[in-house]
Amino acid sequence: GNSVTQMEGPVTLSEEAFLTINCTYTATGYPSLFWYVQYPGEGLQLLLKATKADDKGSNKGFEATYRKETTSFHLEKGSVQVSDSAVYFCALTPGSARQLTFGSGTQLTVLP
Amino acid sequence: DAGVTQSPTHLIKTRGQQVTLRCSPKSGHDTVSWYQQALGQGPQFIFQYYEEEERQRGNFPDRFSGHQFPNYSSELNVNALLLGDSALYLCASSPKASRTDTQYFGPGTRLTVL
Repeated sequence: GNSVTQMEGPVTLSEEAFLTINCTYTATGYPSLFWYVQYPGEGLQLLLKATKADDKGSNKGFEATYRKETTSFHLEKGSVQVSDSAVYFCALTPGSARQLTFGSGTQLTVLP
Repeated sequence: DAGVTQSPTHLIKTRGQQVTLRCSPKSGHDTVSWYQQALGQGPQFIFQYYEEEERQRGNFPDRFSGHQFPNYSSELNVNALLLGDSALYLCASSPKASRTDTQYFGPGTRLTVL
């Protein structure tokens, strides 16, 4: 079946540090890949997406590249801010279906 | 442009009761999906509606049912509530056209079953 495996959290960084959150997936066909962010007490917001191999999604300084050969979609940011503190979810939609399959989430805390 | 809205924000029920949650999709969207997010977990897909029919369903029992209205809004019904049904219930909307279209999420309804 389809699944997403995320780096275990929580992750604590100092402001301006480099961020990597690992995400690998198992899926049939050619999935689309997503990163969503959830701030405390809120729903999910799309952060970025990639729909085919070697695509790079980017938004607000965050980037992730769709790597089919390693079935990965790691999230990176060069310099995190306190306002980036949130839970980050990697997700996919497989083949022709449009239901999202999520990872378990990674809690990020950025300290000033 | 209003985003996805959900009501109520919070709800407390007791075991065995029934509950109805409501969702209005983003303007221009005709597809609604429902997800259950247990505390500390990622959301789990419950089902998806478009053209007023259930089109896809995740691994949830028949106690979970839904409906979509002609204006594309949707309801999630849960019968015979269990303690384990306590969770954040998220609604997401999207255009029907493509699987790559982004799903936009509402703020969720926090259900507590006592």
